[in-house]
Parts: sequence; C-alpha cells; structure tokens
Amino acid sequence: EAGVTQFPSHSVIEKGQTVTLRCDPISGHDNLYWYRRVMGKEIKFLLHFVKESKQDESGMPNNRFLAERTGGTYSTLKVQPAELEDSGVYFCASSHYRYNEQFFGPGTRLTVL
Amino acid sequence: SQQGEEDPQALSIQEGENATMNCSYKTSINNLQWYRQNSGRGLVHLILIRSNEREKHSGRLRVTLDTSKKSSSLLITASRAADTASYFCATGGKNTGNQFYFGTGTSLTVIP
Repeated sequence: EAGVTQFPSHSVIEKGQTVTLRCDPISGHDNLYWYRRVMGKEIKFLLHFVKESKQDESGMPNNRFLAERTGGTYSTLKVQPAELEDSGVYFCASSHYRYNEQFFGPGTRLTVL
Repeated sequence: SQQGEEDPQALSIQEGENATMNCSYKTSINNLQWYRQNSGRGLVHLILIRSNEREKHSGRLRVTLDTSKKSSSLLITASRAADTASYFCATGGKNTGNQFYFGTGTSLTVIP
C-alpha cells in the first residue's frame, strides 16, 4: 500500500510569490490533515478535511493560506503571497477513521527568501 | 492548549541501553500517539494508545499512559544506532475533532 505522498519535497521562493503544495493521501482515507513545523517549534495543526469538506480549519494562520480537496482525493495548500514567516516544513497526514492513527507524508520544506 | 510536551529535550545513550522519553499534556484526550522523525525525513507512526488503555507494546517499544497524571512514556529497549531520531508525542482531543497536538520532541542519539 502506497503511503502519503507530498510534492514538491522542497520549494524555495521569494517573498510575495505563490506556492502550491500537493498531498496525496493513502487511497481510501477520507480524513486528510495539514500540519506545519516552523523552525525550532512544535508541529502545529492547520486544517482537517473529511472527504472534500473542511471539517476544521482553525489552525490556518491567515487568509494567505488556501486549502482545497476537490473530489475528496488529493489536496492542495496554496500560499499567496508568501511571507518570510511561512518558511517551514508542511506535513500532510491521512487516516481512515476519526480517532485512528494518522499516517504522515515526508513533508514539503518551504523556504521563503 | 492540550499541547504535548516531551521530556527530556535531548537524550544521548550507548547502544544496547534503554531509552525513556516522557510526554505530558494538559487536557482530556481520546488517544495519544508516538511518532519518530529521522533527520530530514517524514514522521513515522510508532504506536497509538487510547485513553482507556494503560500500556501497549510493539517490538522493542513500550508505551504507558497515565490519564490521571496526563502523562505518557515511551521506552525503547536495547537501543540501536538506527533508533537515533527525534521522537514526538501527539495527543488527540475528545472535543476537538481528531487534530493532533504535538510537542517539540525529544532528540535521541544512540552512540554505537
């Protein structure tokens, strides 16, 4: 069974540019999550999809971040325009049922210059 | 916040020794999970323990949960150099959906 995949693995952009991160969850997993780890700090929850619906987006830092999951399969997280403080590692995770273990992807390391 | 906090922040042991890491959290949880992250890699799920469980084993891993003290411990027995990684606990809340709250992790170094 393929795990959670994320693309790209690394992204270096300049302040003000737009970046789109992609996550492909494990096939059949309705629940998809985005997390972020800023350097030296804890991994923080951004949002949770159940199929194509946003169940909880309380962790989204501001309206420069837009997450979508059209069709309930893969998800994208767009940052527009990117700021320096957006640098960090963005993780995606998926789970089959609520309250089950979440399987994480390898993360996308975003660097905003 | 029900953020998990790991203790110690860093741990260095000799190969073959046991490593114990602790996690404390603040509010009621549904479950607690331990993850490992090797340098530059993604998070690997190690073990999940539910709030009605007290102890779980998986290979060389042993996890305990004390909900009265709001704490958990991860024991790695007979450590190997390959166990060198950062270890995180993540708590899933009862009233907050199933988003997880992570701590800053324990950095474990196993010296061959």
